[in-house]
Amino acid sequence: AQSVTQPDIHITVSEGASLELRCNYSYGATPYLFWYVQSPGQGLQLLLKYFSGDTLVQGIKGFEAEFKRSQSSFNLRKPSVHWSDAAEYFCAVGANTGNQFYFGTGTSLTVIP
Amino acid sequence: GAVVSQHPSWVICKSGTSVKIECRSLDFQATTMFWYRQFPKQSLMLMATSNEGSKATYEQGVEKDKFLINHASLTLSTLTVTSAHPEDSSFYICSVRGGSGRVGEQFFGPGTRLTVL
Repeated sequence: AQSVTQPDIHITVSEGASLELRCNYSYGATPYLFWYVQSPGQGLQLLLKYFSGDTLVQGIKGFEAEFKRSQSSFNLRKPSVHWSDAAEYFCAVGANTGNQFYFGTGTSLTVIP
Repeated sequence: GAVVSQHPSWVICKSGTSVKIECRSLDFQATTMFWYRQFPKQSLMLMATSNEGSKATYEQGVEKDKFLINHASLTLSTLTVTSAHPEDSSFYICSVRGGSGRVGEQFFGPGTRLTVL
């Protein structure tokens, strides 16, 4: 069965430190992969997406993610975290056919000054 | 990508009343839209798939008579929460499926926060 796992429910980092949020997926075919950010009370904002091609994807706000097929992973990274990055982050997988779209359970990021 | 709007952005209603939430695809003809519900501190849960001109497909455990979905045009889908109760209070988000070449992508609306007193 298709699924998305975000192993870390909550992560705390210091401002200026690097960040990596983990995402693992289970999907039978080549997936479409997404990372979204959600601030409290707000909707989803797309950070980046991977469909094909270069496995290192650059997104908005200085985020990047790397697709590793051998590890079924699509981890999100940022070299230097800003206080405004504190939010909930969701990894998602979409199918290139049909309507399937699966969200991970989310990782809550706290940034301490 | 598609631009998706929702109206209202928030609504407060009394228990027993019905509430209608609109989802519009502003620049894209959407044959398929999706409705999600998100409880506090939780992920998005798919409620139903809305198909233009046909009946919606509901996920297991979602009451179709309580959550009425109408997708009457290629740009508008509505979700009506009938006889709302406090446990229906949640954040409702709609999305539009991408077109040719981007079928696996969804574009999300800003969400509607429903509070039932």
